[in-house]
Amino acid sequence: TQLLEQSPQFLSIQEGENLTVYCNSSSVFSSLQWYRQEPGEGPVLLVTVVTGGEVKKLKRLTFQFGDARKDSSLHITAAQPGDTGLYLCAGENNAGNMLTFGGGTRLMVKP
Amino acid sequence: KAGVTQTPRYLIKTRGQQVTLSCSPISGHRSVSWYQQTPGQGLQFLFEYFSETQRNKGNFPGRFSGRQFSNSRSEMNVSTLELGDSALYLCASSLDSGGDTQYFGPGTRLTVL
Repeated sequence: TQLLEQSPQFLSIQEGENLTVYCNSSSVFSSLQWYRQEPGEGPVLLVTVVTGGEVKKLKRLTFQFGDARKDSSLHITAAQPGDTGLYLCAGENNAGNMLTFGGGTRLMVKP
Repeated sequence: KAGVTQTPRYLIKTRGQQVTLSCSPISGHRSVSWYQQTPGQGLQFLFEYFSETQRNKGNFPGRFSGRQFSNSRSEMNVSTLELGDSALYLCASSLDSGGDTQYFGPGTRLTVL
């Protein structure tokens, strides 16, 4: 069974601070995805990383895929209240559209 | 293009009843996956349908079943409901085979009393 562990589970910070969320597994995934979910809605895809060592940037968000394709991180620079939400990492293997999700990081950014 | 739609959005049932949830994928998408989201277990994969065939199945009891129609719309059914089945049920659609981006619907919130 492939498992993804996310840390921290909860994060409460002030506007303007930086933060990093980690997603770790003992298994290799063909790709890893990061989602953001707001209350009452389904997860929305932020980014997909495929190549080991890959770094992708989305405005103030930086995503990194580990060299061995087992771990990933999400770094947010100068967090804003609008970044508040549940951040989920999800790994995909080669068995079709079957995502394994991490437990999520609930982020609250206070103004 | 309209997004993934799920009906109903909210549902209250009692133990022992059965329930059917519906998912309409994005037009042109042929794969539909179902997930269960609970505070304790997070998001867990239920099953995936592609061209009316179940292609992948998660680790859930046989009370959870699904099907897909020729227009790619999908339904999932839960029989003999238990309190622990209370959850947000999410459906996601993607264009084709594995590796395509999955787009999630808003979910159906099921409460079992």
